[in-house]
Amino acid sequence: EAQVTQNPRYLITVTGKKLTVTCSQNMNHEYMSWYRQDPGLGLRQIYYSMNVEVTDKGDVPEGYKVSRKEKRNFPLILESPSPNQTSLYFCASSLGLAGSIYEQYFGPGTRLTVT
Amino acid sequence: AQKVTQAQTEISVVEKEDVTLDCVYETRDTTYYLFWYKQPPSGELVFLIRRNSFDEQNEISGRYSWNFQKSTSSFNFTITASQVVDSAVYFCALSEAGRDDKIIFGKGTRLHILP
Repeated sequence: EAQVTQNPRYLITVTGKKLTVTCSQNMNHEYMSWYRQDPGLGLRQIYYSMNVEVTDKGDVPEGYKVSRKEKRNFPLILESPSPNQTSLYFCASSLGLAGSIYEQYFGPGTRLTVT
Repeated sequence: AQKVTQAQTEISVVEKEDVTLDCVYETRDTTYYLFWYKQPPSGELVFLIRRNSFDEQNEISGRYSWNFQKSTSSFNFTITASQVVDSAVYFCALSEAGRDDKIIFGKGTRLHILP
């Protein structure tokens, strides 16, 4: 089954404790991205990647890092999480560019709480 | 600049009523794509439709229909004979051809279908 998986689905952590949210897709997609969803703000892009070793900042990259060492994986790293990073996070992948005919497939979401 | 406006933050209707969710977008591109996503209470994002800027035909899928009007930069979504299962947050989104980075989401409309 074609899918995007994220782990963990739920995480409660404390300020400053480094964490990684994994994202993996089994569709051989080149394009992957991370979004955060906050009440009243919709989804905002954090980082995106157009291929292995190619990543770039989205609208809200501060406090996040990403890496794309393999095509299927695109982990989101919070080196020193803060309470304002409490949010619902979505990973997405697509065969081609966002501005194209290709549909973006979203993962199930990771609800992160930073206390 | 790209922008998607969903002016209705929250809507409540009684089951079996029709309801229209508004979406107004801004873009300077002539080639772009519009999307609607559904986010049920379980949290995942469900793709509903993609429309490119050259196809202004209205689309109907069961009880769902979409009205795309370039003259007013709108892409409205109507649910006919609403059901409780339609209760969700609905997002309208925009991507521009040639922009390889992201989809811009509106802030979403929370729809409550009352039994």
